[in-house]
Amino acid sequence: AQSVTQLDSQVPVFEEAPVELRCNYSSSVSVYLFWYVQYPNQGLQLLLKYLSGSTLVKGINGFEAEFNKSQTSFHLRKPSVHISDTAEYFCAVSRGSNYQLIWGAGTKLIIKP
Amino acid sequence: NAGVTQTPKFRILKIGQSMTLQCAQDMNHNYMYWYRQDPGMGLKLIYYSVGAGITDKGEVPNGYNVSRSTTEDFPLRLELAAPSQTSVYFCASSWDGDSGQPQHFGDGTRLSIL
Repeated sequence: AQSVTQLDSQVPVFEEAPVELRCNYSSSVSVYLFWYVQYPNQGLQLLLKYLSGSTLVKGINGFEAEFNKSQTSFHLRKPSVHISDTAEYFCAVSRGSNYQLIWGAGTKLIIKP
Repeated sequence: NAGVTQTPKFRILKIGQSMTLQCAQDMNHNYMYWYRQDPGMGLKLIYYSVGAGITDKGEVPNGYNVSRSTTEDFPLRLELAAPSQTSVYFCASSWDGDSGQPQHFGDGTRLSIL
């Protein structure tokens, strides 16, 4: 069965510092990969997705993620975070259909001033 | 543009009561979903619908029911509320079931069963 592991439940980082949020998945078949962001008291919104092609994917708000098939990882990065990036970030994996999404437990990004 | 609208935003129920969580979308999306989000865990799919009149179970359907009489609306019904159903519930929609299509989420309903 597929699973998604977000290795850190919380990541504190100083404002303007770089950040990496880690996501590993288990699957023996090709998958689609997603990062969603949830701002406080809001629903989730799509940050970026990998379906095929270039392994470096750029998303909204300056975030990017790299698909690494050999390490089954899809880590999210941003070179310089802002206080407005305070949110919870969810990694999700699918084998093809939206109702087959498997979600990670989420990583809370805490920005320190 | 409203997107996905969920009501109510908060609710406290007593054990054994019933209620309906409302969800409406104005994007003419075919697919709609109900998730629950528990602390420290990822989203779990309760039910989904691929179009009006068609629904199917997700990963955690027990204790819930849904209907989809129109494209716009996808209510979730709790018949006999139990403490284990205390959670945050999210409704989402997408144009179709292809994973290339993003899901659009409502702001959630925070439900406590006491």
